[in-house]
Amino acid sequence: EADIYQTPRYLVIGTGKKITLECSQTMGHDKMYWYQQDPGMELHLIHYSYGVNSTEKGDLSSESTVSRIRTEHFPLTLESARPSHTSQYLCASSDLGQGRSYNEQFFGPGTRLTVL
Amino acid sequence: SQQGEEDPQALSIQEGENATMNCSYKTSINNLQWYRQNSGRGLVHLILIRSNEREKHSGRLRVTLDTSKKSSSLLITASRAADTASYFCATDGPYGNNRLAFGKGNQVVVIP
Repeated sequence: EADIYQTPRYLVIGTGKKITLECSQTMGHDKMYWYQQDPGMELHLIHYSYGVNSTEKGDLSSESTVSRIRTEHFPLTLESARPSHTSQYLCASSDLGQGRSYNEQFFGPGTRLTVL
Repeated sequence: SQQGEEDPQALSIQEGENATMNCSYKTSINNLQWYRQNSGRGLVHLILIRSNEREKHSGRLRVTLDTSKKSSSLLITASRAADTASYFCATDGPYGNNRLAFGKGNQVVVIP
């Protein structure tokens, strides 16, 4: 089991609510990622970070925002949730240059978000 | 755009049989990885193969890579019910630097 945690695991909320999805890792990894995945479909990178105070948008446009104030913490925020945001959100982290798996990513269990 | 693309198959096999799935990609890569995802969970890394390798084994897993055809295959031998999952390939091209592009995934169901 990877030491990367996501909360909540499941969230059902109404339209217009502000939400924050939490992601924390205890492996000291510099790089962290957020992916969006619809059931049975591929993963789409929506945000990534290469270290503290570094955040970049991914390949899939997203209305969410992220912050990286601490190495271990990479929360994702939606200011006003909509039904189109209903999806699974996966957080991952990776290290660079250590171990035999150069850029293996470690994934959290995911947050399944439903916006009514 | 997605660089890793599996043949979008849903495999249903009997326990003990072998399962093979394929992945194709578009650009040059440094390495290709395979991940497993159990229903409703995060992904777990299975195996990484570098661009200068042609075949790699890990337990019951065998991965091949053909850079001339930009394709890879994952073979699971002597499948078990616990192998029931979705399998994704991921490549680091064209991003490099620890960004990965994931394919659509292959769903494998192993019937006990």
